[in-house]
Amino acid sequence: QSALTQPASMSGSPGQSITISCTGTSSDVGGYNYVSWYQQHPGKAPQLMIYDVTNRPSGVSNRFSGSKSGNTASLTISGLQAEDEADYYCSSYTTTTWVFGGGTKLTVL
Amino acid sequence: QVQLVQSGAEVKKPGASVKVSCKASGYTFTSYHMHWVRQAPGQGLEWMGIINPSGGSPTYAQKLQGRVTMTRDTSTSTVYMELSSLRSEDTAVYYCARDSRRWSFDYWGQGALVTVSS
Repeated sequence: QSALTQPASMSGSPGQSITISCTGTSSDVGGYNYVSWYQQHPGKAPQLMIYDVTNRPSGVSNRFSGSKSGNTASLTISGLQAEDEADYYCSSYTTTTWVFGGGTKLTVL
Repeated sequence: QVQLVQSGAEVKKPGASVKVSCKASGYTFTSYHMHWVRQAPGQGLEWMGIINPSGGSPTYAQKLQGRVTMTRDTSTSTVYMELSSLRSEDTAVYYCARDSRRWSFDYWGQGALVTVSS
């Protein structure tokens, strides 16, 4: 199972919006509405930010939103804040297994 | 509150095996599947497999088939991940992560660093 494709790095200024893409195939991202997104700060465990493509767990800021079109899912962070600087990973269910994206390092300038 | 507490760091020689534990608390252990995910230094996340604490056969990532074994002990609410025939590429932080019942991972352990070195 190949990893999902994410941009290696992105950057934005405080207050801006950025969108991180996650491209898979019809066997994973395109085949199920089971894409999730995780935020990971250095030295910490990942934290669930979005599940089922668009849903936010309780406690996650509404500045985070998810969407999907075809084989590509996206995570949008609006009103960038310094604390959003972290690594972001997408994940998709794919017929009894799961696959992650390679990760995107987000820098807040 | 949900907590997943993992065992400590390990250093192993190539060819050896390692067994990492993950003790769950704050919820009904048998009601949620558990995943194992690993992260090599400076690299991304890699899904390893899933186990149902209620029973049944775990599902493993194809890449690790034959080397990984996931087990559980319901009396102590603990899941285990054992990886055999270790090689340097297995050096990573190993996480347990609870399945949210919504195809995602909602709670994570603190991670256990396994270093494979001669």
